[in-house]
Amino acid sequence: AQRVTQPEKLLSVFKGAPVELKCNYSYSGSPELFWYVQYSRQRLQLLLRHISRESIKGFTADLNKGETSFHLKKPFAQEEDSAMYYCAPDPESGGGADGLTFGKGTHLIIQP
Amino acid sequence: GAVVSQHPSWVICKSGTSVKIECRSLDFQATTMFWYRQFPKQSLMLMATSNEGSKATYEQGVEKDKFLINHASLTLSTLTVTSAHPEDSSFYICSARDAGGPYEQYFGPGTRLTVT
Repeated sequence: AQRVTQPEKLLSVFKGAPVELKCNYSYSGSPELFWYVQYSRQRLQLLLRHISRESIKGFTADLNKGETSFHLKKPFAQEEDSAMYYCAPDPESGGGADGLTFGKGTHLIIQP
Repeated sequence: GAVVSQHPSWVICKSGTSVKIECRSLDFQATTMFWYRQFPKQSLMLMATSNEGSKATYEQGVEKDKFLINHASLTLSTLTVTSAHPEDSSFYICSARDAGGPYEQYFGPGTRLTVT
């Protein structure tokens, strides 16, 4: 089964500082992964996906097969980045069309 | 962009009654919709996968007789919490997958259920 681990429940950094939200996966094959974000009082939305290699709102995430990680990074945090961030494997990479199995999430707080 | 709505956004019901929550895809067709449950300060947990015109697939530990799912059209799925109890109080979130696009789930705003 595809599983991801987000070891940090809470991460607090100062505005302008670099941010790294950790996500590790524990399954074999060719993993495809997502990062979702949930801002306060807003619905969950897709932030970025591994396969597209995009940079959204200054965030990037690189798949590191050696470390089995898909950490989310941003060089300079902004206050509006404060939110809950969830890592999730792409269900289709497992051959199915199932729902998302989210990590426990990391609450990112950007202090002014 | 793709929009998913849920109704109601908040509902309070008495223990023992049933509550129906609607999930609609407003500008796209969704052959597959998903229902999640989120407890306070916790992650979303998948409850079931709802496929248009067929029976829902429930995750392990989710009672199908307790959480009835109907996906009668390509734009509507409903979740009915039957004989609700206080422990069913939670935030219920649906998502829908665009049948004509790449894999992406679009999430509804959620429904907060409080059972008294």
